[in-house]
Amino acid sequence: EAQVTQNPRYLITVTGKKLTVTCSQNMNHEYMSWYRQDPGLGLRQIYYSMNVEVTDKGDVPEGYKVSRKEKRNFPLILESPSPNQTSLYFCASSRGLREKLFFGSGTQLSVL
Amino acid sequence: LAKTTQPISMDSYEGQEVNITCSHNNIATNDYITWYQQFPSQGPRFIIQGYKTKVTNEVASLFIPADRKSSTLSLPRVSLSDTAVYYCLVGDIADGGATNKLIFGTGTLLAVQP
Repeated sequence: EAQVTQNPRYLITVTGKKLTVTCSQNMNHEYMSWYRQDPGLGLRQIYYSMNVEVTDKGDVPEGYKVSRKEKRNFPLILESPSPNQTSLYFCASSRGLREKLFFGSGTQLSVL
Repeated sequence: LAKTTQPISMDSYEGQEVNITCSHNNIATNDYITWYQQFPSQGPRFIIQGYKTKVTNEVASLFIPADRKSSTLSLPRVSLSDTAVYYCLVGDIADGGATNKLIFGTGTLLAVQP
């Protein structure tokens, strides 16, 4: 089944403790991206990747890192999480930039 | 910088046609307009995409005027299961051209009542 898999689904952590949210897709998509969703602010793009080893900042990249060493994986890294990064995070992939996006189920992150 | 504007919420009744409009005054000439549906605790799901005029698929229609500064998602005969948040999506723009960033609106919460 074609899908985007994010893990974990829920995560509670403390300020400053490095964490990684994984994202994997099995559709051989070139474009992958991360979003955060906050009440009243909709979906905001954090980082995106056009292909392997090609990543760039979205609208709200501060405090986040990504890597794209393989086509299928696009992990989101929070080196030193802070409470203002408490949010619902979504990973998405598509064949290309203007193609239909397929989203993961989301990761609810709480930073205490 | 591109920006989209949608109504925060809309109410409807089962069986009615619902039209949700998104304003995107600053859209690149070669960009598409895409709409997504999101249910609570789920990722957004693609509904429809268009470039100009009218596009129709099995679930919705998308109307885009000639100036492309807005678009209207039309849902025919809504049911309770259409209660969701609807987002329009365009690409970001810089120096008159489309960039690789994507800009979602804040979404419209559609509440369908019996």
